[in-house]
Amino acid sequence: AQSVAQPEDQVNVAEGNPLTVKCTYSVSGNPYLFWYVQYPNRGLQFLLKYITGDNLVKGSYGFEAEFNKSQTSFHLKKPSALVSDSALYFCAVRDIKAAGNKLTFGGGTRVLVKP
Amino acid sequence: DARVTQTPRDKVTEMGQEVTMRCQPILGHNTVFWYRQTMMQGLELLAYFRNRAPLDDSGMPKDRFSAEMPDATLATLKIQPSEPRDSAVYFCASGPGTGEMTDTQYFGPGTRLTVL
Repeated sequence: AQSVAQPEDQVNVAEGNPLTVKCTYSVSGNPYLFWYVQYPNRGLQFLLKYITGDNLVKGSYGFEAEFNKSQTSFHLKKPSALVSDSALYFCAVRDIKAAGNKLTFGGGTRVLVKP
Repeated sequence: DARVTQTPRDKVTEMGQEVTMRCQPILGHNTVFWYRQTMMQGLELLAYFRNRAPLDDSGMPKDRFSAEMPDATLATLKIQPSEPRDSAVYFCASGPGTGEMTDTQYFGPGTRLTVL
C-alpha cells in the first residue's frame, strides 16, 4: 500500500526566510511524487512533480523539491518565502507498482508566512 | 486558461434531500476524479473515471452515493438521501490520461456541502 506522511501540521516562517515543508512516503515500488497547494476556498493547484531523472525538481512560484530515495522523502522548499505563500500544502504519491491511478495525499501542512 | 468547473459552489440542504454536484472537466481530459475533503479525514478519493467508464469507486458509500459521466463534458456526483456526516467539500479533478501514472490532476474549486 502507498502512504504519505506530512509530520508538521503547521509551519511558521518569517517573510524572506527559507521555507521547508516535509514529506515522507511509503511505497512498494518506485514512487511518483507530487506537491499541491490550496489557498482558502480554492481547489488544489499543482506545484511540481517527480517522475524520474534529476532528484531536484523545480516548480511553480519559485518552489522546488528534492527527491531522496534513501530517506524516502520529498521535501518542498522555497529559498525566500512570501506572505502570499501562506496556504495549505499537500504532498501526494503514486506507487508505480500499484494498480489503478490512485493518488494518495498526505494530511496537509499549513504554512503561515509572517511579514 | 483551461479549468475544471464545478457547480454549485455552495449547497445547504436538509437531511434526507437529494444533492447533485456537477463537474465539467478540462476539454480533452479523459480521466475524472471525485474527492471529498474534511478536517477529520483529509482528502479521500471517492471515484475515478477513464473515458467516462467508472474504474474505481471503492471509496464511495454505495448505498447513498452515485457517480456518473453522461458525456465527456459532464461528471455528476449524487447523494440520496443526504446525511449530516456528508457535510464536506467535494472536489472534482481531471487529467489528460496521456500517462496515467505520471499525469497531473487538475482540481476544480470545489462544492461546499452542508447537510443540516
